[in-house]
Order: sequence, then C-alpha cells, then structure tokens
Amino acid sequence: GEDVEQSLFLSVREGDSSVINCTYTDSSSTYLYWYKQEPGAGLQLLTYIFSNMDMKQDQRLTVLLNKKDKHLSLRIADTQTGDSAIYFCAESINSGYALNFGKGTSLLVTP
Amino acid sequence: GAVVSQHPSRVICKSGTSVKIECRSLDFQATTMFWYRQFPKQSLMLMATSNEGSKATYEQGVEKDKFLINHASLTLSTLTVTSAHPEDSSFYICSARVLRDTDTEAFFGQGTRLTVV
Repeated sequence: GEDVEQSLFLSVREGDSSVINCTYTDSSSTYLYWYKQEPGAGLQLLTYIFSNMDMKQDQRLTVLLNKKDKHLSLRIADTQTGDSAIYFCAESINSGYALNFGKGTSLLVTP
Repeated sequence: GAVVSQHPSRVICKSGTSVKIECRSLDFQATTMFWYRQFPKQSLMLMATSNEGSKATYEQGVEKDKFLINHASLTLSTLTVTSAHPEDSSFYICSARVLRDTDTEAFFGQGTRLTVV
C-alpha cells in the first residue's frame, strides 16, 4: 500500500506540548486517524479527521491536516506521564477499507 | 463508542498445534472485520479482510491455509493459526469499522499475544 511515515521517537517534559507528525502519500486518503498503543495493549482510537477538514480539536488533542502537503500532526497539550505510549497515524481511502498504518512514534514523557 | 472484544488476550501454545482467536463486535453488527499482525516495535500489517458469509480476502504473502478466517455471523470473526510455529509468535489485532451517518470509525480489539514454544 501507500506509505505512511512518522518519526520514531519523541521525548518531552511533563507539562509541555507534544507534536507528533505524520506524512502520507495517497492523495485519495479520505480518513486520517490517530491511535494510541500502550505497552502490550491494543489500539485506542484518539481522534480522526476527514480530508475536507483542516483542524479538529478534542480537549487536549489538536489535529492539523495539510492536505496539499499530505501532512498530519497531533498536538497534545499539557503532556502527562500517562501519555507515554506509541502513537500511530493511519489513513484509509474508504469507509469500508482497512487502515494503512505508520510505524508509530514512541512518545516518552519525563517528569 | 463501539466495542470490539478479542479473546484470548494471551496464549502460549506448542509448536504444531492450532490456536483460535475470536473477535466480537459487542454492540454493533460488522459485515467486515480486519485482521492485523504486529511484530515487536513494528507497525500493524493487514493480514486479511473478513467478510460475513463469504471467503476472506488475504493480503499478498499471507498464507490462507495457515491463517484460517471464519466470519460466520455479523458479530463474530475468528482467526485460526494452524500448525503454529515460533515464527508465528506475534501480536494479532482485529478491527471493525462502524459507519455512523457520514462518519466512520475503526475500532480495535485488545489484541492477542501469541507465543509459540
């Protein structure tokens, strides 16, 4: 499938903002997702955005989408140690299709 | 939100035996479920698409005779790893997508950690 790229690691201090970036190549991507995975656990849907949107905010989470550059970001405000996890960016072109995942960004929040 | 339940969460089996993993949609009907596999520190790779009442569609490189998928009802899909070998040890996750009005969400099971010894 098409590529979804993410940086592999990010380390931030508790209380700071975290920004996790993602790029994708499929211009027909319609749905873009952010998932969180804690060690040994399944995937937790954090938020998603449609390709006709530029921004979506949900409490501490802000998703920005630059469709022209095929760039997606997830900003976590006031990052807490409990936010330490792997964050996956995913895209799909159709509601009935499977998701195409990035390799995940490992976020480490230090006190 | 919709709930997808996967069972078991962990299983250890001997090489050569078969293991069945269940994926249930608890509060919605899923005509399509997806099975993914995740290697340590890797992304999720789609193995197959499970369609209720019909044969599953497997991704390239996935052996359909080894990874048997059955989607007999609108709320249950099963993945059976047949004649398991240590290289089949992995984290298996199922997913179902829910279409709500114009929105769609993909919900995942908790995953199954398979260890073949």
